[in-house]
Amino acid sequence: GEDVEQSLFLSVREGDSSVINCTYTDSSSTYLYWYKQEPGAGLQLLTYIFSNMDMKQDQRLTVLLNKKDKHLSLRIADTQTGDSAIYFCAESMIKAAGNKLTFGGGTRVLVKP
Amino acid sequence: NAGVTQTPKFRILKIGQSMTLQCTQDMNHNYMYWYRQDPGMGLKLIYYSVGAGITDKGEVPNGYNVSRSTTEDFPLRLELAAPSQTSVYFCASSTTGPVANYGYTFGSGTRLTVV
Repeated sequence: GEDVEQSLFLSVREGDSSVINCTYTDSSSTYLYWYKQEPGAGLQLLTYIFSNMDMKQDQRLTVLLNKKDKHLSLRIADTQTGDSAIYFCAESMIKAAGNKLTFGGGTRVLVKP
Repeated sequence: NAGVTQTPKFRILKIGQSMTLQCTQDMNHNYMYWYRQDPGMGLKLIYYSVGAGITDKGEVPNGYNVSRSTTEDFPLRLELAAPSQTSVYFCASSTTGPVANYGYTFGSGTRLTVV
């Protein structure tokens, strides 16, 4: 079955690194995504990783994928107050008609000055 | 280039009323989706469409209907509003092009309250 789990809340000081974790259950996932949702707005794609990769770096963002443990993480370096938002991980499966994504419940990140 | 546009942004309905949430995209995406977002529950797929004239149910379709007469538009209809349909509704679209583009583009959402 498809299930994506995330912790609900993360508090971090400005300038520190944030690590947001996600676990998924479907081993046939092809792409895994991180989305950011700011207050009152829709979800915005931050980054994605293909399932045959272990790591992807994009400026301040580092995505790590452990396929054996079905664990995905997003590290934000030098966290800024503008990074305060809800972060969602999502998975897609090649077998899913219409490129459907399954989303986790979201992690609310609060950056304190 | 507007992306995905949803209207209205906010709406209050009385129990039993009907309404249509509008969604339009100008990116020529074949795939379109409706999700609802309940607090702390993430996004649940209501309906999706892989092209004009083709729609299919997602996880939580009960109480909703959709149509897809054009590539651009994907309206969501609530026939008899119930308090359980109080939520934030997001429309999204996706290309069928190169795999690197498989992320969704989301609208800014419609916040619906049923009283």
